[in-house]
Amino acid sequence: SQTIHQWPATLVQPVGSPLSLECTVEGTSNPNLYWYRQAAGRGLQLLFYSVGIGQISSEVPQNLSASRPQDRQFILSSKKLLLSDSGFYLCAWGRTGGFEGYTFGSGTRLTVV
Amino acid sequence: RKEVEQDPGPFNVPEGATVAFNCTYSNSASQSFFWYRQDCRKEPKLLMSVYSSGNEDGRFTAQLNRASQYISLLIRDSKLSDSATYLCVVRGGSQGNLIFGKGTKLSVKP
Repeated sequence: SQTIHQWPATLVQPVGSPLSLECTVEGTSNPNLYWYRQAAGRGLQLLFYSVGIGQISSEVPQNLSASRPQDRQFILSSKKLLLSDSGFYLCAWGRTGGFEGYTFGSGTRLTVV
Repeated sequence: RKEVEQDPGPFNVPEGATVAFNCTYSNSASQSFFWYRQDCRKEPKLLMSVYSSGNEDGRFTAQLNRASQYISLLIRDSKLSDSATYLCVVRGGSQGNLIFGKGTKLSVKP
């Protein structure tokens, strides 16, 4: 069966510090991978998605970047965090060409102070 | 018009009540539809897909009206454990990615 792992679960970082969140998927190959953010009291916002190694599409201009160094690894980064980067970051995977929903990781709750 | 719009909620209902959630979407070319459930401070989890003919899973019934671009979720005999936020989700956008509504919070009281 497929599983998705995301870490860390919680993170408190000072303004201006770097960020690296990692997500890995097991039990499938060539998944589509997604990073979403959910700010307090708001809906899920798609940040980045990837259909393959090294292929990243950005949905919203951000202080963030994403990379996919391996087929089942997706990384969200920032060089300098802003207060507005606080939120609940969720990684998800879906089948290439599939019509099913996505499966989410357990999320990282980021607080920038 | 927002891509996916839902009742703002919150809905506070007693145990055993029937509750209905409504959702509209703007892109008539949308391909597939879902309801997700999100517990407080947790990740969203797929509750059920929504098919054109309507579908049922136990106490949950989902319906789709493509002509009206309208999706619904009905929960019968609600339980305390149904308390959560329910997200309406549509596959659309330029790349066919999932687009989430803001969700409707449900609180089931004893």
